[in-house]
Amino acid sequence: AQKVTQAQTEISVVEKEDVTLDCVYETRDTTYYLFWYKQPPSGELVFLIRRNSFDEQNEISGRYSWNFQKSTSSFNFTITASQVVDSAVYFCALSGNTGKLIFGQGTTLQVKP
Amino acid sequence: GAVVSQHPSRVICKSGTSVKIECRSLDFQATTMFWYRQFPKQSLMLMATSNEGSKATYEQGVEKDKFLINHASLTLSTLTVASAHPEDSSFYICSARDPLLAPDTQYFGPGTRLTVL
Repeated sequence: AQKVTQAQTEISVVEKEDVTLDCVYETRDTTYYLFWYKQPPSGELVFLIRRNSFDEQNEISGRYSWNFQKSTSSFNFTITASQVVDSAVYFCALSGNTGKLIFGQGTTLQVKP
Repeated sequence: GAVVSQHPSRVICKSGTSVKIECRSLDFQATTMFWYRQFPKQSLMLMATSNEGSKATYEQGVEKDKFLINHASLTLSTLTVASAHPEDSSFYICSARDPLLAPDTQYFGPGTRLTVL
């Protein structure tokens, strides 16, 4: 069975702090994709990143970075120098052979000024 | 690219009313669209996979006769909540895949908040 676990339900930081959102996944598929989505209060899910199972290179995009480690089945997301606009619910998701997205429970990030 | 719209964004209706929600891919053709449901402070739950020109595939526990899905064209899928009741109140979100841009990535619409009185 496929499963995504985001152990952190809520995180609160002060602006300019760095914050890491954890994501651990389970799958028996050899080929799979991992995703991060952001859901601001408006409700729309914003696509942030996709990573396939054969590419373990870390990625950086501005203040965002992702660390993919197959050895620990983790795909963590770090926001550097957080801003109030980063406040949202962040979902980690997994897609395997079925093509369906399996979402984690989400982590609510609150960035205080 | 890969923009998905939903209409309406918010619906308030009386119990027993049928409600139709539209999901459109604006700048690409989507052979596959997905419908999700999200309760407050919870994650997204896949309801069904909608394939253009064929019947939708429903997830276990989702009533086909309650949640009618039609994918009549490559840019439009509709979800009709038949005879809605208060327990159907939820946030409904659709997504679509752009087979040319990123066949494995789902792009989401802005969602429809349904409130059944």
